[in-house]
Amino acid sequence: QLVLTQAPSASASLGASVKLTCTLSSGLSSNAIAWHQHQPEKGPRFLMKVNSDGSHSRGDGLPDRFSGSSSGAERYLTVSSLQSEDEADYYCQTWDTGVQIFGGGTRLTVL
Amino acid sequence: EVLLVESGGGLVQTGGSLRLSCAASGFTFNNYVMTWVRQAPGKGLEWVSSISGRGGTTYYADSVKGRFTISRDNSKKTLHLQIDSLRTEDTAIYYCAKETAYQRPIYADSWGQGTLVSVSS
Repeated sequence: QLVLTQAPSASASLGASVKLTCTLSSGLSSNAIAWHQHQPEKGPRFLMKVNSDGSHSRGDGLPDRFSGSSSGAERYLTVSSLQSEDEADYYCQTWDTGVQIFGGGTRLTVL
Repeated sequence: EVLLVESGGGLVQTGGSLRLSCAASGFTFNNYVMTWVRQAPGKGLEWVSSISGRGGTTYYADSVKGRFTISRDNSKKTLHLQIDSLRTEDTAIYYCAKETAYQRPIYADSWGQGTLVSVSS
């Protein structure tokens, strides 16, 4: 079973930090993932790739307020110094041979 | 700068067909897998189909296998998605995406703005 699990919602205050979690099913627990941001009325935006060892590589122009990490079957996206424009849906995504799998997404609200 | 512009969406009745296109620029098109991802109203992102850089290998989600056909014209830097036997559950915004690999879908690092497909019964 190839499943990525994300909490449906998260919230944090302007200027604070938030850590979003993506949990990989047992068949994918050593996979790298990608994080994508999706704001309303826009196309998604690739944020970063996060490897199982916690190393990560950001997309072009992404500020270092966005960082990635890993622990076991969990992959994380941390957004620091939250700004209003960070309010969006965040999706994790991984791959197996010839298929891609998306998590259900986390809607981040900036208070 | 990578630019992906989708077109071809519209309102169609169930059982009908549509051909979506994605015009690419700003990168060496035939070096990368290209992918279609969709988002139904109120739902999350769903991978639909991918095609290798040369076009010789295609990949499909089970939900669209046999009804959707992905293709590419590397001379025109254009990606296509032929959608046949449309169902109401195919109603979605369809996004074109550039992948990071040449042969198999891994993850996308650039996305288009999307084109809306609406299927009415």
